[in-house]
Amino acid sequence: DGGITQSPKYLFRKEGQNVTLSCEQNLNHDAMYWYRQDPGQGLRLIYYSQIVNDFQKGDIAEGYSVSREKKESFPLTVTSAQKNPTAFYLCASSMQGANTGELFFGEGSRLTVL
Amino acid sequence: AQSVAQPEDQVNVAEGNPLTVKCTYSVSGNPYLFWYVQYPNRGLQFLLKYITGDNLVKGSYGFEAEFNKSQTSFHLKKPSALVSDSALYFCAVRDDGYSSYKLIFGSGTRLLVRP
Repeated sequence: DGGITQSPKYLFRKEGQNVTLSCEQNLNHDAMYWYRQDPGQGLRLIYYSQIVNDFQKGDIAEGYSVSREKKESFPLTVTSAQKNPTAFYLCASSMQGANTGELFFGEGSRLTVL
Repeated sequence: AQSVAQPEDQVNVAEGNPLTVKCTYSVSGNPYLFWYVQYPNRGLQFLLKYITGDNLVKGSYGFEAEFNKSQTSFHLKKPSALVSDSALYFCAVRDDGYSSYKLIFGSGTRLLVRP
């Protein structure tokens, strides 16, 4: 079945370590997104990519990095520069060129900094 | 700039009663509006969207939403609530400032349906 796969589902990190969250989709979608979710704050956009080898910062990009070398993949690296990385991270994708704007989400990755 | 507001942190209803989860929006052009649902430790699931056309939009799991341009609202409704509807609900608006169709989300409303 088509969908978005995020891994790992749970991740623990020590302070000062970089970690990379995986996001893979087989929906043939052009656009991909990373959101961060904190209790009571809804979803905030970290980075998004409209096409391979191109990506833009969202509202809270500081301390994060991404790459888009393949259409199917959009990994997110949480660097040691991110001051408060403990959160639930959601990856999503959408069709480019369609005016629906509907996002398809993965199941999320929960990162805890020890 | 586009924005959405969900004025209620939590909504409590009894099973079998109608439910409403409120959302108001602010946009500079035509509003493209969405509702998503999230169950604990899961991703978001799409419920319904308003792009154009009828003001009453029907979606998944018996949910519907009413678009009201004069009140800039897009409230989510269901005629008869189920305990299994208990979840976190997000309203979202498409950001027309970019061609990527990124969505701006509200802060979420927790729906609790009691037996």
